Amino acid sequence: QQQVKQSPQSLIVQKGGIPIINCAYENTAFDYFPWYQQFPGKGPALLIAIRPDVSEKKEGRFTISFNKSAKQFSLHIMDSQPGDSATYFCAAQEDDKIIFGKGTRLHILP
Amino acid sequence: NAGVTQTPKFRILKIGQSMTLQCTQDMNHNYMYWYRQDPGMGLKLIYYSVGAGITDKGEVPNGYNVSRSTTEDFPLRLELAAPSQTSVYFCASSYDFGGLAKNIQYFGAGTRLSVL
Repeated sequence: QQQVKQSPQSLIVQKGGIPIINCAYENTAFDYFPWYQQFPGKGPALLIAIRPDVSEKKEGRFTISFNKSAKQFSLHIMDSQPGDSATYFCAAQEDDKIIFGKGTRLHILP
Repeated sequence: NAGVTQTPKFRILKIGQSMTLQCTQDMNHNYMYWYRQDPGMGLKLIYYSVGAGITDKGEVPNGYNVSRSTTEDFPLRLELAAPSQTSVYFCASSYDFGGLAKNIQYFGAGTRLSVL
């Protein structure tokens, strides 16, 4: 019940394409869903986050879609660039507890 | 602002040796966390602290110990290093704003540890 399942494990997309990373959770007590971006040799950093009372959130080229009834959420990257190549982690939070997905290694081809 | 600082960046240990991974933050955050990251396995919580003097176990605490004597520092101790502890270790901190706000985790750059 505490798991956050993330897919795919890795993804290769041509520059300008729209990579989509999906996550699913089971615990309905989670009430905050952040995405973290990690570049090689660095720690993860918050990219964008959403609360379950909205279905979509956009920040620049990054969009989270949230389906509360299905307990699923996804990250879309519009007009992807080689600089977006990184590992992306979804997460689900309840108070001081945060559960991370296993990560998606994204590679954007130039 | 330095944020979250971890030392050392790299370390090689022999089986059975002990070491302390240092973590300090200058943001006056009350929450601090230790994670380990193994390839394809995401981030697993080892220990966390909600304030000075308070620590609690996470998902994978065996083989590790922590202390939180000050708000700024949260060292992670490995007493008898084993090959299974080869990993990248991340320290993070966050602030509980309370109410509808949620705490954002700020990560250090990590410590890459090999136990041979």
